[in-house]
Amino acid sequence: DAGVTQSPTHLIKTRGQHVTLRCSPISGHKSVSWYQQVLGQGPQFIFQYYEKEERGRGNFPDRFSARQFPNYSSELNVNALLLGDSALYLCASSLAQLQETQYFGPGTRLLVL
Amino acid sequence: GQSLEQPSEVTAVEGAIVQINCTYQTSGFYGLSWYQQHDGGAPTFLSYNALDGLEETGRFSSFLSRSDSYGYLLLQELQMKDSASYFCAARPRAGSYQLTFGKGTKLSVIP
Repeated sequence: DAGVTQSPTHLIKTRGQHVTLRCSPISGHKSVSWYQQVLGQGPQFIFQYYEKEERGRGNFPDRFSARQFPNYSSELNVNALLLGDSALYLCASSLAQLQETQYFGPGTRLLVL
Repeated sequence: GQSLEQPSEVTAVEGAIVQINCTYQTSGFYGLSWYQQHDGGAPTFLSYNALDGLEETGRFSSFLSRSDSYGYLLLQELQMKDSASYFCAARPRAGSYQLTFGKGTKLSVIP
């Protein structure tokens, strides 16, 4: 079975631009979470979606938004990019809302210049 | 609020045993998980402790003491491929969807 997939793998943007990151969960998984990981730090929770509804939001500005589609894939959008948004963006899927085993994708490495 | 504290780096010899500690300060708590992440890779789930005590999965074991706000990951028979970063993670309270990670411990296994 395919694992969690994310696209693109790498992305370079300039300040003020907008970016859309995509995630496809493991087949059958209905929960998708997004994390931001800055170099040398642990992943930081951004959003969780379950059954197409937002179930949790971390401490990120409104420039960050996300959605989940009927096929359970998800998009993370970031507007008005700042240099500090440069990070690895990880998507994780799980079967249920509160299942402790989260399966992470390879991530999208975003560089903002 | 919630924070999880881990040592930033640990070095151990191949074949040895190493323990990575995690202490937490949180107004609530709901279990402790451990993840492994190789450089350039994605975090991979290792174990989860919902209750106090020891959970064993092959060469890896994890322990939790909620009264001491403390847990650890124990790696036995270390192999070179165990060189990676290890993160503890917790939910701040039952029913919370947010998973909070520690800053990670970089384990270097040397011959």
